[in-house]
Amino acid sequence: TQLLEQSPQFLSIQEGENLTVYCNSSSVFSSLQWYRQEPGEGPVLLVTVVTGGEVKKLKRLTFQFGDARKDSSLHITAAQPGDTGLYLCAGLNTNAGKSTFGDGTTLTVKP
Amino acid sequence: DTGVSQDPRHKITKRGQNVTFRCDPISEHNRLYWYRQTLGQGPEFLTYFQNEAQLEKSRLLSDRFSAERPKGSFSTLEIQRTEQGDSAMYLCASSSWAGVGTDTQYFGPGTRLTVL
Repeated sequence: TQLLEQSPQFLSIQEGENLTVYCNSSSVFSSLQWYRQEPGEGPVLLVTVVTGGEVKKLKRLTFQFGDARKDSSLHITAAQPGDTGLYLCAGLNTNAGKSTFGDGTTLTVKP
Repeated sequence: DTGVSQDPRHKITKRGQNVTFRCDPISEHNRLYWYRQTLGQGPEFLTYFQNEAQLEKSRLLSDRFSAERPKGSFSTLEIQRTEQGDSAMYLCASSSWAGVGTDTQYFGPGTRLTVL
């Protein structure tokens, strides 16, 4: 069974601060996705990373895929209250079809 | 381009009743997935289809759960004889799998089931 561990589970910061959340596994994935989910809604895709060592930027969000494709990180610069939400990572092995999700990091950004 | 849609958004039922949920994927997406999510947890895989073929079912999916995708477009998930432990958010996702490359899934808004 492939497991993804996300840390920290909860994070509460002030507006303007920087933060990093982590997604770790002992398994290798073909690709990894990061999603953001708001209460009562489905996850919304932020990014897909495919290549080991890959770095992708989405405005103030920087995503990195580990060299061995077992882990990933999400760094947010100058966090804003609108960044508040549940951040989920999901690992995919293409031949397996399904994605394996972590339990997420709940981020609260206080104004 | 419309996204994944799910109906209903909310369902309250009494224990022992049957419920059915519908998912309409993004047009022309060949793969469709069902997940279940409880509070404080990430989505948990239930089953997925490629076109009309159901390719995998989770061992967590009891015999009370059945899913169909008869024409390779929309899908239904039925839960028979609901139990309080079935209360959860049921999420549908779809993807366009071309045989190579990534298989990024796009999620619908979910159906929140409450079993009383």
